[in-house]
Amino acid sequence: EDQVTQSPEALRLQEGESSSLNCSYTVSGLRGLFWYRQDPGKGPEFLFTLYSAGEEKEKERLKATLTKKESFLHITAPKPEDSATYLCAETSNFGNEKLTFGTGTRLTIIP
Amino acid sequence: DAGVIQSPRHEVTEMGQEVTLRCKPISGHNSLFWYRQTMMRGLELLIYFNNNVPIDDSGMPEDRFSAKMPNASFSTLKIQPSEPRDSAVYFCASSSWTGGGRVHQPQHFGDGTRLSIL
Repeated sequence: EDQVTQSPEALRLQEGESSSLNCSYTVSGLRGLFWYRQDPGKGPEFLFTLYSAGEEKEKERLKATLTKKESFLHITAPKPEDSATYLCAETSNFGNEKLTFGTGTRLTIIP
Repeated sequence: DAGVIQSPRHEVTEMGQEVTLRCKPISGHNSLFWYRQTMMRGLELLIYFNNNVPIDDSGMPEDRFSAKMPNASFSTLKIQPSEPRDSAVYFCASSSWTGGGRVHQPQHFGDGTRLSIL
């Protein structure tokens, strides 16, 4: 059974303090690794898709990277508005859109 | 553009009652997903449709749960009878399926229905 594990469960950073969130997966034939952001009371909002080891994607202060066993979401000089829960998800299927989500990292940026 | 629209946003009902959650996907999207989110289990896929046809319902917990998609712009998730352990936030998402190619289109989520069964 596909499994996605995220760490840490929660992270508190000072504004401007860079860090990384981890997402490890056990699926043997990864087809896609997704990062989403979720604000309280809202649905997840799509950030990135990564397909192969070595791939990187960037958006503002966020950069996602992928290895053969895990993905990292790097946050550079975060601001309070970056506070949210960050979810990763994987799919191992072509022709099937089923995603397996991790339980997320709750990120708090302190002004 | 309008995103995925879910209704109601909140539902509080008593155990044993029928609950119907509704979803309007993004226009032009041909895949629709129902998820349940709890603190303990996170976000779990219940069922998904492609071109209004159910493709994978392996996440539907019991026969008390049923989902329909009568047309491309509407879907329902029904729980009958409801139980306290069904309390959760239920999300609907949609995407534009590209026929099994390498590129996976992102799923776009609604803001969910917070369901409380007393």
